[in-house]
Amino acid sequence: QSVLTQPPSVSAAPGQTVTISCSGSSPNIGNNYVSWYQQLPGKAPKFLISDSNQRPSGIPDRISASRSGTSATLGITGLQTGDEADYYCGTWDSSLSAGVFGGGTKLTVL
Amino acid sequence: QVQLQESGPGLVKPSETLSLTCTVSGGSITSYYWSWIRQPPGKGLEWIGYIYYSGRTKSSPSLKSRVTISVDTSNNQFSLKLSSVTAADTAVYYCARSKYLNDPFDVWGHGTVVTVSS
Repeated sequence: QSVLTQPPSVSAAPGQTVTISCSGSSPNIGNNYVSWYQQLPGKAPKFLISDSNQRPSGIPDRISASRSGTSATLGITGLQTGDEADYYCGTWDSSLSAGVFGGGTKLTVL
Repeated sequence: QVQLQESGPGLVKPSETLSLTCTVSGGSITSYYWSWIRQPPGKGLEWIGYIYYSGRTKSSPSLKSRVTISVDTSNNQFSLKLSSVTAADTAVYYCARSKYLNDPFDVWGHGTVVTVSS
């Protein structure tokens, strides 16, 4: 049982827009930045974006992150087949004094 | 370009201690937080703990009693020991870097598979 809650799967057609939600509580998302990671099959997770406006070089503008209250959202526009992957949200939980992740969301580009 | 490489035995017997090392290359281990994160087969990510280059550590409450994390700044390495392992500890183990406590894990190792089995 993950501290952060994500939908198990989302899907959309190429060129469309998709959002992935991440729900938490005050000690984690409510008071700390949320980061998003992309994991391609058989690969290590890769940092994608955070709502502190951090974005590694090479990550396109069509990927966005936002946070409101105790929820965070990853947005991907102009979907491509290469976006098919598992996506994880993560943050720090000030009550647990621990890093926490969501259970992951599998994105399928139909 | 900083790179991380995990190393250690791929097979550990139940009740024994899992030991892994993460070697940092292309950059210094100083002024960063270094974490261990694992992923059981077919499941999500689980944060195990971190060590700051100064030696300060913090572990997940669920694993705290079994986890020891240490750092060797002279060799640019940090290590994980997980004691009394069971089959539930079978996972891909990753090491990762963050600049501050709540910063993203911006650099990850490739991961190493550890299987707990007799």
